[in-house]
Amino acid sequence: AQTVTQSQPEMSVQEAETVTLSCTYDTSENNYYLFWYKQPPSRQMILVIRQEAYKQQNATENRFSVNFQKAAKSFSLKISDSQLGDTAMYFCAFMKHSGGGADGLTFGKGTHLIIQP
Amino acid sequence: DSGVTQTPKHLITATGQRVTLRCSPRSGDLSVYWYQQSLDQGLQFLIQYYNGEERAKGNILERFSAQQFPDLHSELNLSSLELGDSALYFCASSVGLATGELFFGEGSRLTVL
Repeated sequence: AQTVTQSQPEMSVQEAETVTLSCTYDTSENNYYLFWYKQPPSRQMILVIRQEAYKQQNATENRFSVNFQKAAKSFSLKISDSQLGDTAMYFCAFMKHSGGGADGLTFGKGTHLIIQP
Repeated sequence: DSGVTQTPKHLITATGQRVTLRCSPRSGDLSVYWYQQSLDQGLQFLIQYYNGEERAKGNILERFSAQQFPDLHSELNLSSLELGDSALYFCASSVGLATGELFFGEGSRLTVL
């Protein structure tokens, strides 16, 4: 079974600063996906960024980028030029890639990110 | 708007009762997933359906059941409800199996009194 660990229950930074959220995972799988999801107060789960394990290049989406270290099983999220609207719970998630099906997403416990004005 | 529709948004019921949560996936998506989010357990994967068939099972209790209908909408049935079943229940959909991107609905907030 897979496990996902987010060691920072809460973080707070000033607007426009850069912040990095940590995530580690444990798996024996070789092919998998990693994700960061955002859950604002509206409670909707929104995909922030996705990384395929076979890709060495780190994924980037505008102000969001990841540092994927496969050997270390680490998948951190960097938010640059943070904005008030980035305030939310952030969940790291794992999905194994298997042609016959999937076990769904395994989520970490989440990091509550607060962007201060 | 993710395109995934869940009803009802809020539901209050009593212990021992049974409720049904409904999910309509995004147009064209064949996979439907159900998740439970509670303060103590976090986000837990319950079950996945693909094109009407059960494909993966997570931490779903025997008191819970689900199905996906020919029109691809899905229902999650929760019976003999207990206080601990109070949670936010999410439905998510994706195009296929293990495609890597899930689109979530806004969730159904269940309160068991």
